[in-house]
Amino acid sequence: GNSVTQMEGPVTLSEEAFLTINCTYTATGYPSLFWYVQYPGEGLQLLLKATKADDKGSNKGFEATYRKETTSFHLEKGSVQVSDSAVYFCALSDQGSNYQLIWGAGTKLIIKP
Amino acid sequence: GAVVSQHPSRVICKSGTSVKIECRSLDFQATTMFWYRQFPKQSLMLMATSNEGSKATYEQGVEKDKFLINHASLTLSTLTVTSAHPEDSSFYICSARDGTTYSYEQYFGPGTRLTVT
Repeated sequence: GNSVTQMEGPVTLSEEAFLTINCTYTATGYPSLFWYVQYPGEGLQLLLKATKADDKGSNKGFEATYRKETTSFHLEKGSVQVSDSAVYFCALSDQGSNYQLIWGAGTKLIIKP
Repeated sequence: GAVVSQHPSRVICKSGTSVKIECRSLDFQATTMFWYRQFPKQSLMLMATSNEGSKATYEQGVEKDKFLINHASLTLSTLTVTSAHPEDSSFYICSARDGTTYSYEQYFGPGTRLTVT
């Protein structure tokens, strides 16, 4: 079945460092891919998405490209800030089932000043 | 746009009592709503999917008689935790999708922290 695998955290970086959080997926068909972010004590917010191969989603300096050949959707940011500290979830659309999303385990990101 | 509210944000109840959590889509029609449970430092666990006007579909291992879900309108779904016990303490999050689109994007509420004493 469909699945999402994220790199384990926590990921700890210094401010202004380059960020990559890896996400790979297994899916039949052509799923949409998402990155959601959860700040401490809050619900989830959509960070970016891509709906077809080679699409690049971007928002708030974050980017991810839908790579069908490597079944990946890695999240990147060129220069992180302390305010980016949060948990990041990769997800894909489960086209077989009532618009559900399949979730990765989440990666906690800690940015130190 | 696409705002989802949840109420209450925090609730403390005694063991054996029932608690109702509301999830509202404020500016769109939510034909499908999802209820998740999140344990500390863990990912989301989908509890159930509800379509407006239909019975909710529960995930394997989730007790439908304990976690009652009602989705009676296009803007409101409720989760009632019946006869709550300390092990039901958790962070409950709802999400909704806009039924006027074909998008899989889910819009999330801010979550409800339930503590059962």
